[in-house]
Amino acid sequence: DGGITQSPKYLFRKEGQNVTLSCEQNLNHDAMYWYRQDPGQGLRLIYYSQIVNDFQKGDIAEGYSVSREKKESFPLTVTSAQKNPTAFYLCASSSGTKLFFGSGTQLSVL
Amino acid sequence: KQEVTQIPAALSVPEGENLVLNCSFTDSAIYNLQWFRQDPGKGLTSLLLIQSSQREQTSGRLNASLDKSSGRSTLYIAASQPGDSATYLCAVRSGSGNTGKLIFGQGTTLQVKP
Repeated sequence: DGGITQSPKYLFRKEGQNVTLSCEQNLNHDAMYWYRQDPGQGLRLIYYSQIVNDFQKGDIAEGYSVSREKKESFPLTVTSAQKNPTAFYLCASSSGTKLFFGSGTQLSVL
Repeated sequence: KQEVTQIPAALSVPEGENLVLNCSFTDSAIYNLQWFRQDPGKGLTSLLLIQSSQREQTSGRLNASLDKSSGRSTLYIAASQPGDSATYLCAVRSGSGNTGKLIFGQGTTLQVKP
């Protein structure tokens, strides 16, 4: 099955801890994105990557980091600098016009 | 700065009713507009994409229109069913190509009652 896989589905972070959210796609898409969704709000762009080994900050990049070492993978690290990390995180990819999304990771703070 | 607004935030209708969801944007210089569906706790599924040169797109019971000059798009759902219950988001891609930023509205949560 072609698609985007996010893991884990649920993740808990302790104070001061860094956590990494996984995003893998087998659609052969060049562009990948990370969005954050808070209840009752639209999606906000954290980071995006148009090509391997290159990525750019989105609107709310502070407290997050990413890497794009492989075309298929775009992991997101939520660092301890992100003081309000509780949210639903969505990964997406595109090749052309349409955006395809993974099923999301719900991150909560213990 | 492009801003995308969806009104109402929530909508409840009886089964079988035709309904319209609204999306407005502040900057008419868009590349395309996309409508998505999101089920609770899930990712987004693309429903319809309208290029800036197009006026509407149709898929089954769904019809999306675009009026760039007035900064508006509507998603028309015909003969609504309980399975249509979900949150619907519109997203506008600004700029002149596929690399432009995608700006999302807050979404309209639809409930279709049997």
